[in-house]
Order: sequence, then structure tokens, then C-alpha cells
Amino acid sequence: SAVISQKPSRDICQRGTSLTIQCQVDSQVTMMFWYRQQPGQSLTLIATANQGSEATYESGFVIDKFPISRPNLTFSTLTVSNMSPEDSSIYLCSVEDHAAGGSYNEQFFGPGTRLTVL
Amino acid sequence: LAKTTQPISMDSYEGQEVNITCSHNNIATNDYITWYQQFPSQGPRFIIQGYKTKVTNEVASLFIPADRKSSTLSLPRVSLSDTAVYYCLVRRSNDYKLSFGAGTTVTVRA
Repeated sequence: SAVISQKPSRDICQRGTSLTIQCQVDSQVTMMFWYRQQPGQSLTLIATANQGSEATYESGFVIDKFPISRPNLTFSTLTVSNMSPEDSSIYLCSVEDHAAGGSYNEQFFGPGTRLTVL
Repeated sequence: LAKTTQPISMDSYEGQEVNITCSHNNIATNDYITWYQQFPSQGPRFIIQGYKTKVTNEVASLFIPADRKSSTLSLPRVSLSDTAVYYCLVRRSNDYKLSFGAGTTVTVRA
């Protein structure tokens, strides 16, 4: 099972600026995902990031606003660009990996990055 | 993917069994049922997954009737630390995307 860390754990930013969130995994994984969780809400998938290819964005999310890098099999970044207060959310990365002792895969989530935009 | 419906919230007391039922009427033949748990200020954590009948692990049991249009997550003898949001998801076997619904907030009281 994968262990995921994210940096920063939280940040407070001014509108119009950009923030890059890092996601580090302790093992090599093919598929990584970025989610957003707005206050009191459920998780919404932003994009899928596979190493060696462009990220695939879900409806409502665009590369200009949320550029993603995936330089290797253990690391990814998500940038929230030209931020507004509506971008205040928790941003989580996850990876698809083998379940411990199981015959199937599951997704493992990082602890999240809590972003507040003033 | 099949849409899931589950109660918004449930209250329980320590030592009781909590059963959360999720409906997924439009589940497809190659879909699995997966449950995640999320504590405040943490990312979701996988609990259990099943296709049909009953699955049990050290954390929970998952009951799936023959028609697979619903499933019930059973948490035995809950404690205060089981207070969390529980998400029921339907997952296609060849699709890695997860679609989270609103979840069920379970509050365990002393």
C-alpha cells in the first residue's frame, strides 16, 4: 500500500496569485489523481495524471487554471492559478495501488492541502 | 457510473452496531461496490470492496443482496473514533476514476 505526503499542508494566499501543491508517493505508481473538496462538501475529481502523458481533466476543470506536472512515477504537482476566494478548498492527491493483502487495487489518498484565498 | 444514494447522517452510541445502506439501482454487471471512510482533516481511506454476497475484513462487513441494487456497510461495536464520513461508491472494474457522493456522516456518542 502506498504512503502519500503533500506539501504544503495549508496555505493562505492572496487573490490573483498561484500556488503549487506537491504530492510525493513512497513507491512507483502509474496513476495519480487530483481532487478538490470544498468546505463541507464531497470530493470532486479534477484530473488524472499519468507519467509520460498529458493530464486528463474532468468537465469543469481546465489546464490553464490547474496545470499539472508528472515528471516521474513518485511525484506530481498541481498548480492553482490566478486564485480567487472560490478556489478555497482542500486539494488532495491520490494514487491507484495494490490493496494490502488483496487481489484488487484501491486508491490511497494524501492528507490534503487546505487552501484559503483572501 | 451508477448513482448512489445513502443517508446524510446517522447517530449511534459506543458499542452499538452501525449499518449504513446505500442504493445503486443502476449498477452494471462489471461494477464493484466500494466504501471509503474520511476523518476530519484527513484524506479518505479505503474500508472494503465487494461484488456480491458478503465480504468481511477486520474493520467492517459488506452485505450485497443478489440483485446488487443496494449494499449495507456494517460497523460492529463502534467507538468514538469511528465518527467520520462514510462514502459508498460504485466502481467499474476497468475504470480507475472514483465518483464520490455526499456520504453519510456517522456520529458516535459516549
